[in-house]
Amino acid sequence: DAKTTQPNSMESNEEEPVHLPCNHSTISGTDYIHWYRQLPSQGPEYVIHGLTSNVNNRMASLAIAEDRKSSTLILHRATLRDAAVYYCILKRTNAGKSTFGDGTTLTVKP
Amino acid sequence: DAGVTQSPTHLIKTRGQHVTLRCSPISGHKSVSWYQQVLGQGPQFIFQYYEKEERGRGNFPDRFSARQFPNYSSELNVNALLLGDSALYLCASSLWDSTWNTEAFFGQGTRLTVV
Repeated sequence: DAKTTQPNSMESNEEEPVHLPCNHSTISGTDYIHWYRQLPSQGPEYVIHGLTSNVNNRMASLAIAEDRKSSTLILHRATLRDAAVYYCILKRTNAGKSTFGDGTTLTVKP
Repeated sequence: DAGVTQSPTHLIKTRGQHVTLRCSPISGHKSVSWYQQVLGQGPQFIFQYYEKEERGRGNFPDRFSARQFPNYSSELNVNALLLGDSALYLCASSLWDSTWNTEAFFGQGTRLTVV
């Protein structure tokens, strides 16, 4: 299974943009890139996903490198409520398995 | 609308016992997945079910089994519990499309403690 590599932790100031990186050098052509986040004592929450093109939604943007070996989750204006563990996940087309890593713990400072 | 509901929220079992965890998906969702999350780690995939059939299995021993019912609810069963089975067990439901890559909605989990 393809693996993802994320920094253990990152810090950001409130109302500033945050760029969370993810490396997935062994990604296959049929792997989608998903991002989820998990607040303390809660189940993970979907953030965004994409295959090849950059994606935007109300929560965040996903920038995917041209060779797809890395991606970046962009939170445009971090709030205190964005403090969470962020997981970058690869999920194969037509397959039920999702592999989470240990994620990046984002701390947002007021 | 109700989200994904899991029961019970907490339970304590003794080594060697059996446990059944239950999950009700969001109405209209036909796919259910189960994950184990040990403290301090990311969730680990156990099973995915769609239309009552197993569609994916993670690297867990045969002591772990699951099933999905006609109403799309699901049960996760663990036999011969070990101390290492202590974890948060998460259920996620999703709609299905041909890519298998739709948004998953997670429940709050069941905290299992094995003593």
